[in-house]
Amino acid sequence: EIVLTQSPGTLSLSPGERAALSCRTSQSITSTYLAWYQQKPGQAPRLLIYGASTRATGIPDRFSGSGSGTDFTLTISRLEPEDFAVYYCQQYDSSPRYTFGQGTKLEIK
Amino acid sequence: QVQLQESGPGLVKPSGTLSLTCAVSGVSISNGYWWSWVRQPPGKGLEWIGEIDHSGSASYNPSLKSRVIMSVDKSKNQFSLRLTSVTAADTAVYYCGRNGDYDVDYWGQGTLVTVSS
Repeated sequence: EIVLTQSPGTLSLSPGERAALSCRTSQSITSTYLAWYQQKPGQAPRLLIYGASTRATGIPDRFSGSGSGTDFTLTISRLEPEDFAVYYCQQYDSSPRYTFGQGTKLEIK
Repeated sequence: QVQLQESGPGLVKPSGTLSLTCAVSGVSISNGYWWSWVRQPPGKGLEWIGEIDHSGSASYNPSLKSRVIMSVDKSKNQFSLRLTSVTAADTAVYYCGRNGDYDVDYWGQGTLVTVSS
């Protein structure tokens, strides 16, 4: 099973700043198989990025994804108040079909 | 507009069976997609439970495989989850979702299931 490790566990930033969230996989994966989600308290996860770098429908362009192999990054160029949430990366494989990282909490400084 | 809604008992006794249903609207469950269940224990991360397609073909997380059964009801446009022999460790918010190509692109709002006597 491929393990996803996200860092940092918590990121404290101010609105307007740039955020970079890391996701590392225990084995090299195809970029197509890497996705990012945002989850706010009491809400379901929302798909942000799929295929490592493609924004899902309706996602603002301040969100971007990059990376390949075992190292992937979600970048938020200028933080808005509504961006403070928990972010998860996820990979697709044969079994189990989906595994998630442990999450990065983005909090207001 | 694709919408998913989970329903089922919010409280299950230890050693009992957790049963949830996901009602799908805005798309036919027979439209070639796969459908997933994902859970999240309070304050913790996400765990994929399994997936099913319109024909009833299913794939489960090996960590839960011995206790999970999924089914689909095309006439009602819904799919279901059964988890047997539950313990307190199965207390979680359970989400249903629609699989995209390699992700889960639509999610239900989630339902909290507590395992307690």
